[in-house]
Amino acid sequence: DAEITQSPRHKITETGRQVTLACHQTWNHNNMFWYRQDLGHGLRLIHYSYGVQDTNKGEVSDGYSVSRSNTEDLPLTLESAASSQTSVYFCASSEGAFDEQYFGPGTRLTVT
Amino acid sequence: DQQVKQNSPSLSVQEGRISILNCDYTNSMFDYFLWYKKYPAEGPTFLISISSIKDKNEDGRFTVFLNKSAKHLSLHIVPSQPGDSAVYFCAASAVPESGNTGKLIFGQGTTLQVKP
Repeated sequence: DAEITQSPRHKITETGRQVTLACHQTWNHNNMFWYRQDLGHGLRLIHYSYGVQDTNKGEVSDGYSVSRSNTEDLPLTLESAASSQTSVYFCASSEGAFDEQYFGPGTRLTVT
Repeated sequence: DQQVKQNSPSLSVQEGRISILNCDYTNSMFDYFLWYKKYPAEGPTFLISISSIKDKNEDGRFTVFLNKSAKHLSLHIVPSQPGDSAVYFCAASAVPESGNTGKLIFGQGTTLQVKP
């Protein structure tokens, strides 16, 4: 069965470290998204991609970057982790504009 | 600037009764709306959607109503079951003239508790 996975599921890192969160989907979807979930804010879009070599900034992109070298993967990198980036991160994918997004199980990141 | 708002952080209902979750939006360009359900330690899962050309969409126990003039949508769950206890997010999307976006703007979420 097709799925979307994230790794690691939990991560503790120190301020200033570079961290990469992995997202892998086997749906063969063109669209992929990264969100963060924080209390009182719901899900906020960090970066998104509409296909290989395409990346776009979302509403909270500062301090984050993504790359899309193939259809299946969209890794999220925190260049220099900050305590404000402690959050739960969700990756999602969709086939098209009006199609539902399929979410991964999430990565809980703690920056100390 | 919160374009999609869920003003009730939590809702508690008795099993078998109706649950009504509300969502307001400010951007008149939104033309597609979705509801997602999220259990603890899991990713959100799609529940139901509605296009702006409709005012109602029904799927089993779940019905979404859209009032475009009021920029308001609601999710009705009838009858509510304990397994419906979760966080519910509404989301909105707009298709610009240039075509595909797929971007969703989410509300803050409402935690529903259905008591046995």
